[in-house]
Amino acid sequence: IVLTQSPGTLSLSPGERAVLSCRASQSVNSMFLAWYQQRPGQAPRLLIYSASSRATGIPDRFSGSGSGTDFTLTISRLEPEDFAVYYCQHYASSSWTFGQGTKVEIK
Amino acid sequence: EVQLVESGGGLVQPGGSLRLSCAASGFTFNTFAMSWVRQTPGKGLEWVSAMNFDGGNTYYAGSVKGRFTISRDNSKNTLYLQMNSLRAEDAAIYYCARLRVGATAHFDYWGQGSLVTVSS
Repeated sequence: IVLTQSPGTLSLSPGERAVLSCRASQSVNSMFLAWYQQRPGQAPRLLIYSASSRATGIPDRFSGSGSGTDFTLTISRLEPEDFAVYYCQHYASSSWTFGQGTKVEIK
Repeated sequence: EVQLVESGGGLVQPGGSLRLSCAASGFTFNTFAMSWVRQTPGKGLEWVSAMNFDGGNTYYAGSVKGRFTISRDNSKNTLYLQMNSLRAEDAAIYYCARLRVGATAHFDYWGQGSLVTVSS
């Protein structure tokens, strides 16, 4: 299964809404779809698991949705610390796959 | 507080070997599956290997199968990755990550990474 994220780069201003897409090459089990944030020089951090469940300590401005082949990560109002790269990830058949990432940059 | 601290990275020649370690603390290590994930500038994040809580089951990405071996010592709260026959394309930052399995399968905590450089 290939995960394709779009857009590659999203240029927005603080306070704006960000909508990131993750499309799977075939229908996947949404329980196995997760999203991560990676800030420069840092390790990835879990944001969302099972497509829509927020991880511990993640602000409620982050939300995940979707099913089948199309999944979305939404950041309702961008804070300065949210400008980072975001990855989706899926698990199937004893293998884990990541999308190529979407960079959210300051406009 | 969950902490994962990798060590053992460095410069190695093509064909050489290296063993990474990941020291875990802040949780009951012997009840969690663990994994290695690597990152290169050109290829993003790539899952490498995983192991269940007691070491009885191991999983590998096709790109490393037969060359890398994951293991763990639950008495030492430590995860390992033995990397043999290293290639230029194995150069990356290697992250140790705690793996949540069952109804879901995601990486909920990550270490800061260990840099592996493969070059002559």
